[in-house]
Amino acid sequence: DGGITQSPKYLFRKEGQNVTLSCEQNLNHDAMYWYRQDPGQGLRLIYYSQIVNDFQKGDIAEGYSVSREKKESFPLTVTSAQKNPTAFYLCASSREGASGYEQYFGPGTRLTVT
Amino acid sequence: QKEVEQDPGPLSVPEGAIVSLNCTYSNSAFQYFMWYRQYSRKGPELLMYTYSSGNKEDGRFTAQVDKSSKYISLFIRDSQPSDSATYLCAMKVSNQFYFGTGTSLTVIP
Repeated sequence: DGGITQSPKYLFRKEGQNVTLSCEQNLNHDAMYWYRQDPGQGLRLIYYSQIVNDFQKGDIAEGYSVSREKKESFPLTVTSAQKNPTAFYLCASSREGASGYEQYFGPGTRLTVT
Repeated sequence: QKEVEQDPGPLSVPEGAIVSLNCTYSNSAFQYFMWYRQYSRKGPELLMYTYSSGNKEDGRFTAQVDKSSKYISLFIRDSQPSDSATYLCAMKVSNQFYFGTGTSLTVIP
């Protein structure tokens, strides 16, 4: 089955700890994205990567870091500098299809920091 | 002003009704348009995508784009209780996607 996997589904951390969220895709898509979803705020872009070894900050990159060493993988690290890290994190990948752009999402990781 | 505006609802309809979901946008550079369905605590699922003005149909779903009015719609025919979810519109320009905040839909049996 082709798709995007995110692990773990639920993650609990103490304040002050860094945590890394996994995202893997087997869709052979070049572009990958990380979003954060909070109630009533929609999806906000954290980082995106168009190709391996290259990535750009999104609207809310402060306190987050990423790497893109392989086409299939785009892990996100939530650092202790992120002031309000508790949220639902979504990874996505995209490609240009015949009638527009297709962006697909993983199942998400719900991070709770106490 | 947000790039993409979407009425959050909630919207409640009886089973079998036609549902109309809408988004407006301000950036005329948006070229690609998408609709997603998101169930509670799940990732969004891509329903429809298009780049051109006009209608695109897929089963019970029709996506409509009016670039002159900066307005997109998703119509759901013969709505089912399983359609109860939050629907997100999304648009793309350059390398980024912009999302509406979502409309919560409940289809009552």
